[in-house]
Amino acid sequence: DAGVTQSPTHLIKTRGQHVTLRCSPISGHKSVSWYQQVLGQGPQFIFQYYEKEERGRGNFPDRFSARQFPNYSSELNVNALLLGDSALYLCASSPQGDTQYFGPGTRLTVL
Amino acid sequence: AQSVTQLDSQVPVFEEAPVELRCNYSSSVSVYLFWYVQYPNQGLQLLLKYLSGSTLVKGINGFEAEFNKSQTSFHLRKPSVHISDTAEYFCAALSGGYQKVTFGTGTKLQVIP
Repeated sequence: DAGVTQSPTHLIKTRGQHVTLRCSPISGHKSVSWYQQVLGQGPQFIFQYYEKEERGRGNFPDRFSARQFPNYSSELNVNALLLGDSALYLCASSPQGDTQYFGPGTRLTVL
Repeated sequence: AQSVTQLDSQVPVFEEAPVELRCNYSSSVSVYLFWYVQYPNQGLQLLLKYLSGSTLVKGINGFEAEFNKSQTSFHLRKPSVHISDTAEYFCAALSGGYQKVTFGTGTKLQVIP
């Protein structure tokens, strides 16, 4: 079975722009979570969705938003990009929200 | 709020020697615990997990961890490391409802030939 997939793998944006990151979960998994990993740190929780509803939100500004589609794939949107948003964005899927399986990540660079 | 502490930021160890990576968590309720490994420029791979039951958990690549409720610890061990084990290891905890997973700051394991 395919694992969690994310697109794109790399992305370069400039300050003030908008970005959309995409994630496809493992088949059969209904929960998707998003994490931000800044270089040299552990991942920080952004959102969790289960059955298309938001289950949890981390301490991130309203510039960050997400949604989950009927096929359980998900998008993370970030508006008004700042230099500090440069990071590896990780998506994880889970059958119900406990054990999470991670994708390879999207490396976002904001110039 | 849940917190996870990994006291060692870097652990150098010679090849074929044993290693222990330490992890402590804080929680007043039931908790699920995980260890993940991250190779350079890659995502996180699940090594092992503790959800309930036996406190000694065996994972992939010869790793194991022991859940100690009284010491709120979940240390990762391997009896004999290989060069290929060089990576960053993250301890993580999930508590309460199905919401967020809290990660430690990571431990870089450097295996020396």
